[in-house]
Amino acid sequence: NAGVTQTPKFQVLKTGQSMTLQCAQDMNHNSMYWYRQDPGMGLRLIYYSASEGTTDKGEVPNGYNVSRLNKREFSLRLESAAPSQTSVYFCASSGERSGYTFGSGTRLTVV
Amino acid sequence: AQSVTQPDIHITVSEGASLELRCNYSYGATPYLFWYVQSPGQGLQLLLKYFSGDTLVQGIKGFEAEFKRSQSSFNLRKPSVHWSDAAEYFCAVGLRSNDYKLSFGAGTTVTVRA
Repeated sequence: NAGVTQTPKFQVLKTGQSMTLQCAQDMNHNSMYWYRQDPGMGLRLIYYSASEGTTDKGEVPNGYNVSRLNKREFSLRLESAAPSQTSVYFCASSGERSGYTFGSGTRLTVV
Repeated sequence: AQSVTQPDIHITVSEGASLELRCNYSYGATPYLFWYVQSPGQGLQLLLKYFSGDTLVQGIKGFEAEFKRSQSSFNLRKPSVHWSDAAEYFCAVGLRSNDYKLSFGAGTTVTVRA
């Protein structure tokens, strides 16, 4: 099925551990995004990639890094996880004027 | 500052009744406008979008939205709600000049009672 695939779906980390969230899309979209969702705050943009080879910070980039590996894949890395990074993370992709297609999310808990 | 506001945190509606969710934005230019729905534990699904043209937009699942430039609003409506419409709804706004990045409202949770 065409869409955005995120892995893993669930993850528990200890404070200070690192991990990478993977995202891949098969819709040939140029743009990809990472958002985090917290109760009462909607979705906040962490990083985005307007095209292959470019990445830019969003609203809440501190504590994260990203890699646009190729046109299909856009990963999000937490180098040293903190409890404040407990959240649900969504990857999305878009073509021009198409709106976003979202992945199913990664529920991350940092203890 | 640019912002997207959904004034209602939670709405309860009876099955079969009409539903209207409010969205207001504060942007210098006319933005692109979207409504998304999120069922519990799921990702977000696009309901409808407005780029230009007719200000009344039809979407999936029987939803529609009306863009009112003078009020900076993009309210979502459904004439008759079904129990399966219980979910969280997000309004989102983007600008072409900003690489189409979307800013989201905080969301409105809809509860449907029998």
